[in-house]
Amino acid sequence: EVQLLESGGGLVQPGGSLRLSCAASGFTFSTSGMNWVRQAPGKGLEWISLISGSGKSIYYADSVKGRFTISRDNSKDTVYLQMNSLRTEDTAVYYCTNLGGGDYWGQGALVTVSS
Amino acid sequence: QSALTQPASVSGSPGQSITISCTGTSSDVGRYNYVSWFRQYPGKAPRVLIFDVTNRPSGVSGRFSGSKSGNTASLTISGLQAEDEADYYCDSYTSDGTWVFGGGTKLTVL
Repeated sequence: EVQLLESGGGLVQPGGSLRLSCAASGFTFSTSGMNWVRQAPGKGLEWISLISGSGKSIYYADSVKGRFTISRDNSKDTVYLQMNSLRTEDTAVYYCTNLGGGDYWGQGALVTVSS
Repeated sequence: QSALTQPASVSGSPGQSITISCTGTSSDVGRYNYVSWFRQYPGKAPRVLIFDVTNRPSGVSGRFSGSKSGNTASLTISGLQAEDEADYYCDSYTSDGTWVFGGGTKLTVL
């Protein structure tokens, strides 16, 4: 059974940092591209970042480029999202998902940016 | 990275069929057969209903079907049921190597 489990969400002040983790199981993680997708309260889904299976190819949405960093550790079957210089508009539920490789989703991690 | 275009809302009566459209460009929906459809209930994570335009994962009802013509993909739900009331999203791979989602469609079962 495929499982994706996000952790690391929480409340952070504007300008602060947070690191999300997503632990995967049930599929061949090292060959799967992994994505982070977020959903602001009452809004739709927004793709924000992709890392290839090898970690060599990385992409970001313009809204997070230069502030967020995606990475992965294939020895731990885990993908990360380092979020710096957080803004109130980054408040959202953050999902990890292997779009195009099964389209499985985690349960989401809530990130609230507020003073 | 403009979002794919979906109708904000659709509605239908139990037993009817409805179709949700998802319009992109020649750089995403029109170029690749990598379009998926997701259903999301309030407070829950999205779940895939259709992948690669027309394929249904195991466990997904045959009432859900997908198609594509040019830059527009479509999700059809036949034999509408009360449990189908939810938000629906499409996504597509893009020529930038990224993914893009539609704005979402709220389905109301009358």
